[in-house]
Amino acid sequence: ETGVTQSPTHLIKTRGQQVTLRCSSQSGHNTVSWYQQALGQGPQFIFQYYREEENGRGNFPPRFSGLQFPNYSSELNVNALELDDSALYLCASSPRETSYGYTFGSGTRLTVV
Amino acid sequence: AQSVTQLGSHVSVSEGALVLLRCNYSSSVPPYLFWYVQYPNQGLQLLLKYTSAATLVKGINGFEAEFKKSETSFHLTKPSAHMSDAAEYFCAVSMEYGNKLVFGAGTILRVKS
Repeated sequence: ETGVTQSPTHLIKTRGQQVTLRCSSQSGHNTVSWYQQALGQGPQFIFQYYREEENGRGNFPPRFSGLQFPNYSSELNVNALELDDSALYLCASSPRETSYGYTFGSGTRLTVV
Repeated sequence: AQSVTQLGSHVSVSEGALVLLRCNYSSSVPPYLFWYVQYPNQGLQLLLKYTSAATLVKGINGFEAEFKKSETSFHLTKPSAHMSDAAEYFCAVSMEYGNKLVFGAGTILRVKS
């Protein structure tokens, strides 16, 4: 079975721009979560989607938004990029109905200049 | 609110020595607990998880962790370190499957030859 795949792997954007990151969840997983990992820190929860609806959100401003599609893939959108948005963005999927836990992708490294 | 404290941002051991990475959590009820490993420029890989079935949990690559409710701890151990264990390790807590993960700040493990 395929794992969680994220694209692109690396991205450089200018302050004020908008960015879209993509995630394909593992087969059979209907829940997708996004995390931001700044350099030298642990991942921070951004939000979670379950059956195409946001199902929990961390302490991130509204310019961080997301979508989940019928095939359970997901997008993370960030508007009005700031320098502090530079981080590794991790997507994780899980089969909500079971106890298998979360499977993480390799992440997208976003650099804002 | 849940929180996780990992004591020691850097731990250095000799190859073949015992590995002990410390994790304490704060939660009003027994949570689900996880250890993840992250190699440079990669995502997170699940090492093991505690789901209330057994207090001593065995994971991949020879790692294990023991849940001690009285100490609110979930320390990660491995009897004999290998060079390939050098990575960053994150402890995380969740109140239920499908809920957000709260991560500690991470511990970088260095293995000396």
